[in-house]
Amino acid sequence: KNQVEQSPQSLIILEGKNCTLQCNYTVSPFSNLRWYKQDTGRGPVSLTIMTFSENTKSNGRYTATLDADTKQSSLHITASQLSDSASYICVARGGGGNKLTFGTGTQLKVEL
Amino acid sequence: GAVVSQHPSRVICKSGTSVKIECRSLDFQATTMFWYRQFPKQSLMLMATSNEGSKATYEQGVEKDKFLINHASLTLSTLTVTSAHPEDSSFYICSASRKGGVNTEAFFGQGTRLTVV
Repeated sequence: KNQVEQSPQSLIILEGKNCTLQCNYTVSPFSNLRWYKQDTGRGPVSLTIMTFSENTKSNGRYTATLDADTKQSSLHITASQLSDSASYICVARGGGGNKLTFGTGTQLKVEL
Repeated sequence: GAVVSQHPSRVICKSGTSVKIECRSLDFQATTMFWYRQFPKQSLMLMATSNEGSKATYEQGVEKDKFLINHASLTLSTLTVTSAHPEDSSFYICSASRKGGVNTEAFFGQGTRLTVV
């Protein structure tokens, strides 16, 4: 069964601090892994897409890593800002039908 | 990035009535559109996939007669929730993709909060 698990479920950090979110997936065959940011009551917005041959990809203060061997990914946020408060969703594409399998997200709150 | 517009953003309807949600790709041609449902603190669940000009493919457990999907053009797909019940209250999100391979980006709409009373 295709699954994506994320940790932690929720996280509170102080503005300016860094944090790392984790994602484990069991999607086979694997096509790519995506990270999205979803603000409350809004649709997800893409941060990164990585194929199995990519180990790291950055988008501003967001850096995603991928280890296709261990089927793990992480999203590192540098110098957090209040506007980073959102749910961060890990999504793996692959499996039968090559569909997207969504994680339940990590709810990040950045405080002053 | 490409823009996908979803309308309305919020809707409240009475039990037994039907509600139509629109999803438009504003600056690209979307050969494939997807409809998702998201309950509080849960992940997005795919309801159906629609390709322009053909019938939608529904996921297991999703009633096609209850959730009517129309993808009549390359820029518009609609989801109609028929005979809505309170348990249909949820956050509905569409996404759209251009024609391409597995690494093609999927752009999401803003979502529609449906409340059935």
